[in-house]
Formats: sequence, structure tokens, C-alpha cells
Amino acid sequence: GAVVSQHPSRVICKSGTSVKIECRSLDFQATTMFWYRQFPKKSLMLMATSNEGSKATYEQGVEKDKFLINHASLTLSTLTVTSAHPEDSSFYICSARPRNKGPLEQFFGPGTRLTVL
Amino acid sequence: GQNIDQPTEMTATEGAIVQINCTYQTSGFNGLFWYQQHAGEAPTFLSYNVLDGLEEKGRFSSFLSRSKGYSYLLLKELQMKDSASYLCAVWDSNYQLIWGAGTKLIIKP
Repeated sequence: GAVVSQHPSRVICKSGTSVKIECRSLDFQATTMFWYRQFPKKSLMLMATSNEGSKATYEQGVEKDKFLINHASLTLSTLTVTSAHPEDSSFYICSARPRNKGPLEQFFGPGTRLTVL
Repeated sequence: GQNIDQPTEMTATEGAIVQINCTYQTSGFNGLFWYQQHAGEAPTFLSYNVLDGLEEKGRFSSFLSRSKGYSYLLLKELQMKDSASYLCAVWDSNYQLIWGAGTKLIIKP
């Protein structure tokens, strides 16, 4: 089956630093990748949708200058949390949609737990 | 606005049956998903319903009534490993997934 990996799985950083999270589709090419954020006991919130080779589309209320998304290849998307603050502490999950597949096909990564001190 | 409601928490006994309900109000409808999410892990796909009726897959079944904006996930022969959160999500008219907050299912021996 399709596998999506994320790295790192956990990261702890100091306030004001930047953190990069990688999302890779290991055995398929993903034309579209999604980035979600999930706070404890809350639903997943879509942050942005990225298509390979084009700029990401951000959801309302998500700061594009704070959450930088790059989808430079068909197997890799990165989310950079710039100048992280404690309120950015959350569980970040990516998902990927295979090339030439319909919208039903969407595979989730294992998530990255970010803690900002 | 768009809204998905499901109970916050449910408790059931090992070996029993439990039904987790989900009601939705969305701008358009292109199908409803159920995902399982263990603590600290990403969601894993359980089922997808786009037509009315019951879809059975092993111990898990999912039901949809589009006219009522209602779905349920039925889990039979509960096992301890079924303890997890169960997320209901709806595809709206733009194929954007709208997520419920999840139902935490606690299984007791």
C-alpha cells in the first residue's frame, strides 16, 4: 500500500526558532499534499494544500509567512514553522494524493509532534 | 457554516457492539469518511460512503443517510485494540474534507 513518511516524528525547540517538517511519499508520486494541524481533543484543521510546482493554497486564518510550504518534487513537501512560539505547539500531519488518482485516494503520514518551549 | 457533530466520548465492553453517530451540515456532499486514530498517531482510513445504506467490512460497518445528514460507524466484537478516536469527515462540494472532532472510544474488559 501507499506509504507516507514524516520527519521528524517529534521535535522540541525554543521560542523564536524555525522548524522544518518533511513529508515524503515513499512509493508513489503525489501531485497534491495536504498539511493539517491537530490540537489535543480537537479535529484536524486543514492548513494548506500544495500542488507540485506551484504555490500552496492556504486556508483562511493560516499565516502563509509563518507556515512556509514547499512542494518542490512529486515525492516531497516541507512545512517550515518560522519563529515558532508556544502556541504553535501541536500535532502536524501531512497527507498525499497519488498522481492520476481521484480525490478518494489520500494517505496520511504518521504526524510530527511539535513542542515549542 | 459547515458543521459535523459526533459524541465526545463513549465507553463499551470488550466483545460487545458499539455505534458511533455522526451528523453533518455541509455546503455540498461528495461522501463521508470514517477514520480511526490512536493517540499520537495519524488517522487511518476505515470507510467511505457516498450512497445511502450500509457498507460492511469485517467487524466494522458504516451507514449513511444523505437525506438526514447522518451516518454511523458500527463496531462489532469489540477488542481492546479498538480503543481509539473515531473521526467522521465529509467531502464538501469542493472535495475539501471537513472533519469532526472525533469520538474517543474506551473499551473496558
